[in-house]
Amino acid sequence: KDQVFQPSTVASSEGAVVEIFCNHSVSNAYNFFWYLHFPGCAPRLLVKGSKPSQQGRYNMTYERFSSSLLILQVREADAAVYYCACYSSASKIIFGSGTRLSIRP
Amino acid sequence: NAGVTQTPKFQVLKTGQSMTLQCAQDMNHNSMYWYRQDPGMGLRLIYYSASEGTTDKGEVPNGYNVSRLNKREFSLRLESAAPSQTSVYFCASSEGTWSNQPQHFGDGTRLSIL
Repeated sequence: KDQVFQPSTVASSEGAVVEIFCNHSVSNAYNFFWYLHFPGCAPRLLVKGSKPSQQGRYNMTYERFSSSLLILQVREADAAVYYCACYSSASKIIFGSGTRLSIRP
Repeated sequence: NAGVTQTPKFQVLKTGQSMTLQCAQDMNHNSMYWYRQDPGMGLRLIYYSASEGTTDKGEVPNGYNVSRLNKREFSLRLESAAPSQTSVYFCASSEGTWSNQPQHFGDGTRLSIL
């Protein structure tokens, strides 16, 4: 079954680099998407691609079956849910169950 | 720049009542989607519309119907609401079907079924 896996929670301290890991079992997957979701708001795309990429404080690593989202200089305002999603030409885009990031002051 | 607009934002229904959730996008996107989000379950696809005039089932279609009214609008209908359909519903759109284009989401509709 095509699935995307990510940890349910990650905790960090302010100013640190946070890594949220994602791996998948999606057939022929070649694109990853990372979304940020604050409750009550629309999920928002942070970074995407089929190779390592960076958008501001957000870095995305890329391997054949996994990706990590790295958030640099994490702040209290970054506390949210982060979704990893995987696109495959053979199947639909599949979302992970989301990782809730908590920040210790 | 409204993007994807969902109405209503909140709704409470009684079991057995019917309801239509509305979604409109102003980005001239071809594809539109309905998801539900439940605690610990992430975003699960209910139905999608690859292009105007077409609709297809997603992962959890039972209990729902959809209508792609035109290119801009994609509605989700609950014919006989059940408590298991209590959830947050998100509409999304993208330029193409399952392409490498990202999906743009609305702010969600929080639906409670009593």
